[in-house]
Amino acid sequence: DADVTQTPRNRITKTGKRIMLECSQTKGHDRMYWYRQDPGLGLRLIYYSFDVKDINKGEISDGYSVSRQAQAKFSLSLESAIPNQTALYFCATSDWGDPRGTDTQYFGPGTRLTVL
Amino acid sequence: QQQVKQSPQSLIVQKGGISIINCAYENTAFDYFPWYQQFPGKGPALLIAIRPDVSEKKEGRFTISFNKSAKQFSLHIMDSQPGDSATYFCAASLSGSARQLTFGSGTQLTVLP
Repeated sequence: DADVTQTPRNRITKTGKRIMLECSQTKGHDRMYWYRQDPGLGLRLIYYSFDVKDINKGEISDGYSVSRQAQAKFSLSLESAIPNQTALYFCATSDWGDPRGTDTQYFGPGTRLTVL
Repeated sequence: QQQVKQSPQSLIVQKGGISIINCAYENTAFDYFPWYQQFPGKGPALLIAIRPDVSEKKEGRFTISFNKSAKQFSLHIMDSQPGDSATYFCAASLSGSARQLTFGSGTQLTVLP
C-alpha cells in the first residue's frame, strides 16, 4: 500500500551494528505497528503505538526499540544487530474506529534485513 | 506460545479447484478473525474477516466458515485462479482498545494453470 512506506527496502549489515528501519504513513491513522515475518512463523508483533506518547511492547520486543517521532512516523531500531534478527520487517497502521469496526491493518511493503 | 494454528503450510490446487485453509485458536476471548493475503514482495492485505456472531461470510469467491464450538475457522477459495497464488495468513484479535492481531504461520497457495 503506497500510503505506508518503509525505508530501506533491503539492508545488509554486520553483527553488532545499530540499524534503524523507518516507516511513514499518509493515512492519518493513530495506530502503528512493527512486525517481524519469518518463514513458518507468520507475523509476530514487535512494538505498537496508539499515539506519539503511547508505546507498547509486543510479543517479541527484546533486542528492539522504537520511536514515534510524529503521528505519521514510527521507527524501529536494532541497537546491536545479531544474525537471528535476519527477517522481513513490516510496518502497519490502523484506524481507531469503533469497537465493532473493521480493525483493518494496512501494511507497508516490508524491509528485508540480513545480519551477517 | 502459538495461539492461532494454521494448516496446511503449503497447498497446490489446479485452476478451477477449491482451496481450503484451516485455522484453530485457543483463546475463547478472540472476537475478530481476519484473513490476510500476501503476494511476493508485498505486505499483507486484508482479504476478508468475520466475527463470531455469524457462521459464514462470503465475498465473491472467498468464504470464511466459522465454528465457534470447535474454535476453528477456515478460508475457502472457490474456482481458484493462478492469480490467487499467494501466502495466506489467518489472524485473531481480542476486543478492547488493544486490538492486537495474533497471526497464524501462513499457507503458501499455488494454483496451477
